[in-house]
Parts: sequence; C-alpha cells; structure tokens
Amino acid sequence: KAGVTQTPRYLIKTRGQQVTLSCSPISGHRSVSWYQQTPGQGLQFLFEYFSETQRNKGNFPGRFSGRQFSNSRSEMNVSTLELGDSALYLCASSFRQGSEQYFGPGTRLTVT
Amino acid sequence: GIQVEQSPPDLILQEGANSTLRCNFSDSVNNLQWFHQNPWGQLINLFYIPSGTKQNGRLSATTVATERYSLLYISSSQTTDSGVYFCAVGYYGGSQGNLIFGKGTKLSVKP
Repeated sequence: KAGVTQTPRYLIKTRGQQVTLSCSPISGHRSVSWYQQTPGQGLQFLFEYFSETQRNKGNFPGRFSGRQFSNSRSEMNVSTLELGDSALYLCASSFRQGSEQYFGPGTRLTVT
Repeated sequence: GIQVEQSPPDLILQEGANSTLRCNFSDSVNNLQWFHQNPWGQLINLFYIPSGTKQNGRLSATTVATERYSLLYISSSQTTDSGVYFCAVGYYGGSQGNLIFGKGTKLSVKP
C-alpha cells in the first residue's frame, strides 16, 4: 500500500502571499490531520477532516484553512503569509479518528 | 489541556548501549503513539500502544495508562537509531486536537 504523499515537498513564498498544500492519504483512510512543526513550538495540531467534514481545529488563526475532497485527499491553505509561518507542515492519515496515524514526508515552507 | 513531557531531552550513547526514553502525560488519553523522526523530517511509526507492552526487534514499549506514562526501550543501539523520538497522546475534543506531541528526545548514537 502506498503511504501518505504530500506535495510540494519544498516551497518558498513571500510575506503576504498565500499557499496551498496537498495531502493524499493511504488508500482506505478517511481521516486526515494536519500539523505544523517549528523549532520553537514543536509539533502542533492544525485541523482534522473526516468524510469531508472538519472534525477538530487547533488554536491557529483563521488564515489557516483546509478542506477534504470526496476521495479523502485534503488541502490546506494559508493566506497572507507571515515570516512565522515558516515551518514543516505534516499531514497524517488514519482509518478513523482514534486509530493509528501515519505521516507523510511533509512540506517545508519558507516565507521570506 | 493535556501536557506531555518527555525525558531526557537529549541522550548520547555509544553504539551497542541500551536506553530508556520516558513519556509522562497529565490526564487520561485515548491512545498513545511513539515516532522516530529522521533527519529529513519524516515521522516513522514505532508503536501504537494505548496500554500494555509491545516489541518490534530491538525496540519495545510499555504504556501504563493508569499511572500516565509510557516507556520506549532501545537495545543494542545502532548509529541509524539517531534522530528525535516523539511520544504523542490521542485526546479528542477541545482545541488540542487528536494528537498532542511531547517535545521529543534527541538521540545521538556514536560509532
């Protein structure tokens, strides 16, 4: 079975721009979660989607949004980028909420 | 919210040595996972272990949910074991989301 895939792997953006990251879960997994990893704050939960519905959201500003499609693929969007948004963004998929999560390789975003 | 504390924060070993990493959590949780993050950032699943003991080769883990801690044992360490080990607990509801991570233990195994 193919693992979780994320695109793009690396991205450089300018302050004020917006960005869209994509995540394809493991086949058969319907839950997708997003996390942000920074040296200062560590790994923090962004949001979780299950069957196209946002089930849970972390403590991030409204500039961070996401969605899930009928094939379980998910995208997250960050608008009006700030320098502090530079981070590794990780996507994880699981069969259902509460079951084991499997992570993709991440998208490393640099905001200049 | 739930707090997850990992110890030690840093660990340096000689190849062949054994080690124990600890994860304490402050409240009841639904599940617990251990991960190894490689130098490229990939989080690799080690154990999904809400309670009990599991073994996989040189690695084993024990979670005592009633006492709110988990231990990861690495035996006969190899240089390829280097990296950061994360404990994450599953908790549903509120803004903390469905996996709350500790700050990790950075392991360096010297040849």
